[in-house]
Amino acid sequence: DVKVTQSSRYLVKRTGEKVFLECVQDMDHENMFWYRQDPGLGLRLIYFSYDVKMKEKGDIPEGYSVSREKKERFSLILESASTNQTSMYLCASSFLSLGRGGSVSPLHFGNGTRLTVT
Amino acid sequence: DAKTTQPPSMDCAEGRAANLPCNHSTISGNEYVYWYRQIHSQGPQYIIHGLKNNETNEMASLIITEDRKSSTLILPHATLRDTAVYYCIPRGAGTALIFGKGTTLSVSS
Repeated sequence: DVKVTQSSRYLVKRTGEKVFLECVQDMDHENMFWYRQDPGLGLRLIYFSYDVKMKEKGDIPEGYSVSREKKERFSLILESASTNQTSMYLCASSFLSLGRGGSVSPLHFGNGTRLTVT
Repeated sequence: DAKTTQPPSMDCAEGRAANLPCNHSTISGNEYVYWYRQIHSQGPQYIIHGLKNNETNEMASLIITEDRKSSTLILPHATLRDTAVYYCIPRGAGTALIFGKGTTLSVSS
């Protein structure tokens, strides 16, 4: 089974702190994604990466950056945490574009990191 | 990206089939229809996807209309553990999944 592991399940940080959220996948997937999930707003894409050292902005990249130095690891960085970044953060991974049968590979998600910024 | 319309909530009795509809009338020819679900406090879980033909796997069946403007996810024998939010998402190659608000399915005994 595909495993996407997020380093922390719960995290509490102070306003202004630099925060690192780590995600590791064990399936040699090219694509990795970071989403945040908030009540009433659903899941929103922050950043994604389709290869090592490559990154693309999603719908809400402001206040975040990412790092992909190794294929299996994708880090989300909050340079200076703010209270409006309190949220559930979800990491996902998939094979690049084409999977078996020519279809687009499904995403596999971790169980999330619930971040509280006080 | 195609927009989708799903009912906000549905109820189903345990052991009965759950039929979850999705309207995606603006879907483009190269977009697959994906279904995911999210059980409380967990990350989304992939269920099934299809392009034109109906699909079945160990979790569910997917029925796509001939004009591809709508689809139905069928859980043939719903259990209490199927209580979750279900998302229908059109997606093309090289694009990220965009989640809408989904349908909250409540399965009761």
